[in-house]
Amino acid sequence: EADIYQTPRYLVIGTGKKITLECSQTMGHDKMYWYQQDPGMELHLIHYSYGVNSTEKGDLSSESTVSRIRTEHFPLTLESARPSHTSQYLCASSDMRGGKQFFGPGTRLTVL
Amino acid sequence: DQQVKQNSPSLSVQEGRISILNCDYTNSMFDYFLWYKKYPAEGPTFLISISSIKDKNEDGRFTVFLNKSAKHLSLHIVPSQPGDSAVYFCAASARTSGTYKYIFGTGTRLKVLA
Repeated sequence: EADIYQTPRYLVIGTGKKITLECSQTMGHDKMYWYQQDPGMELHLIHYSYGVNSTEKGDLSSESTVSRIRTEHFPLTLESARPSHTSQYLCASSDMRGGKQFFGPGTRLTVL
Repeated sequence: DQQVKQNSPSLSVQEGRISILNCDYTNSMFDYFLWYKKYPAEGPTFLISISSIKDKNEDGRFTVFLNKSAKHLSLHIVPSQPGDSAVYFCAASARTSGTYKYIFGTGTRLKVLA
């Protein structure tokens, strides 16, 4: 059973709001990832981290930012949400490079 | 250009029969392949994986086959059960510029009919 959590599960907000999507894992994994997925589409990597104070942008350009101050915590922030940010955001972690990832339940974000 | 392709968006199978989900890839540098299952409103759950040095890996009802020459992998579920109804994603990873990246397919929705 994977111990990776995301909050909120669902979020509906207005344009221009600042939001932070939370992701925490209790497995002590060094590697953490954020994916964005639209219905019927593949998961796109938008951010990843290989440890504390390490963050990198993924393959899909995103206006969001991330931080990794603690091993277990990898929050994603949007400074000014727009309708184009409407999507599902999935957080994942892994304990070895190239190995399996454990996913959180996701946050479904709707920006009006 | 999509490096990992799942060309069948959906598949229906009768309970008890075999489900075969297919995945094709283009990057010969991929060295690890994974299958995930996803239920609505949940995150993907890891199912089974295979290293590029193998051609088969089995775990209970799930078997993954890798054909490197054809750049093709498949997931066999036998016997299929109604609880297997979900979206299945294949993923591949390769070391790129010193880091591992995961590339996901678009998923295949499996429906197992009782």
